[in-house]
Amino acid sequence: GENVEQHPSTLSVQEGDSAVIKCTYSDSASNYFPWYKQELGKRPQLIIDIRSNVGEKKDQRIAVTLNKTAKHFSLHITETQPEDSAVYFCAASIEANAGNMLTFGGGTRLMVKP
Amino acid sequence: GAGVSQSPSNKVTEKGKDVELRCDPISGHTALYWYRQSLGQGLEFLIYFQGNSAPDKSGLPSDRFSAERTGGSVSTLTIQRTQQEDSAVYLCASSRQGAQGGLAKNIQYFGAGTRLSVL
Repeated sequence: GENVEQHPSTLSVQEGDSAVIKCTYSDSASNYFPWYKQELGKRPQLIIDIRSNVGEKKDQRIAVTLNKTAKHFSLHITETQPEDSAVYFCAASIEANAGNMLTFGGGTRLMVKP
Repeated sequence: GAGVSQSPSNKVTEKGKDVELRCDPISGHTALYWYRQSLGQGLEFLIYFQGNSAPDKSGLPSDRFSAERTGGSVSTLTIQRTQQEDSAVYLCASSRQGAQGGLAKNIQYFGAGTRLSVL
């Protein structure tokens, strides 16, 4: 089955700096890679996703890159703000009409210091 | 519209008791997933339902865990003879799926979870 590794487990940055979180996956059949943000005591919420037919996707201060050959993908947050502080999870899945479960990385606790 | 709803939000039980956790998916979503999140850990897949197909139970950690989905909507996760290691937040998610729906069909929307504490 799929295995997703996520690094670092904790990340502390100064407000305004960039943050990068990296994930690797094992199953070359995986083709859908979402990122979820979970604030303390709240539900995980999708912030961005990427499919294997593209190498990069950007949404304002957030971008995700995917290297299918190396089987790794990364989340980039620019101009970090204190409200970006949360736990971020990457995940991998095989998209299908019937759906499929997500395999999650272990999470990265991001702390943005004002 | 309403998001994924889970109840109870918190459940404290004694070791050895059975518990039932409920999930109401987003209306019209045909796929429903259960995950478990232990303290400070990632999300662990438990079970997945899609329409009328047999559920994917490959993530259930033991035969004390079971789940059902009635009428293709509400789901109940049951843990029998609870153990202390079952203490975790149990999260439910749903997605639209199906042949129609475009790229958004696979997005999983999560409920707020049920925090289970086994004493």
